[in-house]
Formats: sequence, C-alpha cells, structure tokens
Amino acid sequence: QLQLQESGPGLVKPSETLSLTCSVSGGSLSSSAYSWGCIRQPPGKGLEWIGSIYFRGQTHYNPSLKSRVSMSVDTSKNQFSLNLNSAAATDTAVYYCARLYSSGWFIDYWGQGTLVTVSS
Amino acid sequence: SYVLTQPPSVSVAPGKTASITCGGNEIARKSVHWYQQRPGQAPVLVIYYNTDRPSGIPERFSGSSSGHTATLTISRVEAGDEADYHCQVWDSVSDPVVFGGGTKLTVL
Repeated sequence: QLQLQESGPGLVKPSETLSLTCSVSGGSLSSSAYSWGCIRQPPGKGLEWIGSIYFRGQTHYNPSLKSRVSMSVDTSKNQFSLNLNSAAATDTAVYYCARLYSSGWFIDYWGQGTLVTVSS
Repeated sequence: SYVLTQPPSVSVAPGKTASITCGGNEIARKSVHWYQQRPGQAPVLVIYYNTDRPSGIPERFSGSSSGHTATLTISRVEAGDEADYHCQVWDSVSDPVVFGGGTKLTVL
C-alpha cells in the first residue's frame, strides 16, 4: 500500500521560506504514469493545487504561486520537496503530499497532511 | 484560469438522494473527479473520469456530466456520508489541476 508522509517545520516566520518534504513508501517515485504533487488547504477553506513534479524533474506550477514555488525530486531517497519563498500569513494551511495519475490528473493517494503556520 | 463553482452546502435526510453540483464552462468536455473529505482527514477519491468509482467506494456514489454542470449523486444517504465534497478537473489549457470551492453535505 503506497503511503506518503509530509515533514517540515510547523511554524515559519513571515518572509522566510516554507519547506516541505514528502517521503514515499510502499512504491517507487520512478514511474512516468504518475506525477507527485503538493496541495494545500487554508483553515476552513477549499483545496488549492500548488504544483507537481515528475521523477525526471519536469514540473508544473499553479500560475498564481509560480513566482514563489520550486519543487525537486530525489529518487535515491524516494522523496520530493516543496519550497515556497517569501511566506506570508495567507500561506498558513494544511499542506498535503499527493500522487497524481498522469492521464487525467486525478489524485489517487494523499498524505495525512501537516499544518504549517506562518507567524512571527 | 478555469473556474469551478460548487454550492457551499447541501442537506439531505438519511435514506434519500443527495446531488452535489459542480459548474464550469463546457465542463462536459473535461474529466471531472470528486473527493470526499471527512473532518480532520485527508480527501479520498470517490469518482474519477466523471463516472468511474475506485475500488472500495460504494455503488451508492455515482457521477455524471452534461453541458456546464457535473453532478455527484449519493443514493441512500447514510450518516457516515456527512463530509465536504470537492470537484476537480484537469484543464490542459491553463492549470493542470483546478478544484471547486467544496460543498458541505449535512445529513439531517
């Protein structure tokens, strides 16, 4: 059974970089049938896709966040990562790691999510 | 960018049928996916490619799409179906992944 686990600081100061690492177990990152993504959900609000990455490094980012987002992948560790720079209070959210099926871009596996708060 | 519109809330009595809509321009031309999210939990895929159900999802869950509206239908609603439901499409023109605002289903 595939599992995704988020890790990273739960508290980030304004203007600093929000970093999230997603560890994949029970399966391999190295398949072109899937991309690996990050989705967030501010408290009491809906879901927002941040971006996705393939195991060879090709990325797709939400245009509204593109200027602040970068993602990377480490196949040797079966991990992928998110960096969101210039963090602001509006970036406070539960951040999810996810696997997306490439044909149709639906999400078939989600991590449990981790709350990241941006505050001084 | 592509916009999906969902009603904020839908209420239904146990045993009845709930319909949750997702509006978008010519949405019938796109692949629509639906997720169930219980409080404090991660979302779970319940419908993909408009009408397909992942293994383990009851047949009571079904999807359809026509014109500018996609619909998630839950038959014989149970108390355990109370959750937020999110629609999502793949828009090859702009953002690959677009979500609706979510609908809170209340079982009366």
